[in-house]
Amino acid sequence: KNQVEQSPQSLIILEGKNCTLQCNYTVSPFSNLRWYKQDTGRGPVSLTIMTFSENTKSNGRYTATLDADTKQSSLHITASQLSDSASYICVVNAGNNRKLIWGLGTSLAVNP
Amino acid sequence: NAGVTQTPKFRILKIGQSMTLQCTQDMNHNYMYWYRQDPGMGLKLIYYSVGAGITDKGEVPNGYNVSRSTTEDFPLRLELAAPSQTSVYFCASSTGTDGTEAFFGQGTRLTVV
Repeated sequence: KNQVEQSPQSLIILEGKNCTLQCNYTVSPFSNLRWYKQDTGRGPVSLTIMTFSENTKSNGRYTATLDADTKQSSLHITASQLSDSASYICVVNAGNNRKLIWGLGTSLAVNP
Repeated sequence: NAGVTQTPKFRILKIGQSMTLQCTQDMNHNYMYWYRQDPGMGLKLIYYSVGAGITDKGEVPNGYNVSRSTTEDFPLRLELAAPSQTSVYFCASSTGTDGTEAFFGQGTRLTVV
């Protein structure tokens, strides 16, 4: 069964600190993996996409990694800001956009 | 550039009532999607469309209907509302289906009582 598991379920950090969110998947076939940020009461917004051949990709303070062999991805947030408080969702594409496997997300709270 | 716009943002329905969730996009995207998001669950695809006049079922289509008469609009119809349809509904659009980014609306929070 195709699954995407994220950890931790929730996380609280202080402003300015770094954190790393994890995503493990058992999806086949694998097309790509995308990280979304979802603010409370809003729709998800894409942060980055990882394809099979990519190991690391950065988008500002966000850095995503992918290990296709172990089927793991991580999202590292550097120098967190209050505006980073949101749910971060890992989504694996199993062939096309009609076959997206969504994780449950990690709820991140950044406190002053 | 408005992107994907959904209306209404909130709605309370009584069991058995009907309603249409509106979705419009101004990015000229061919592909559009309807998802529902329930607490403790990942997003589930209800229906999708690959272009005007073409729609198909997703993972959880029962109790819903859609139409796509124009590129811009993709309304979702609930005919006989049930408590199980209480959820947050998101409309999205994309240029393609091979992993291209999907742009989401702000969502409609629907409660059926």
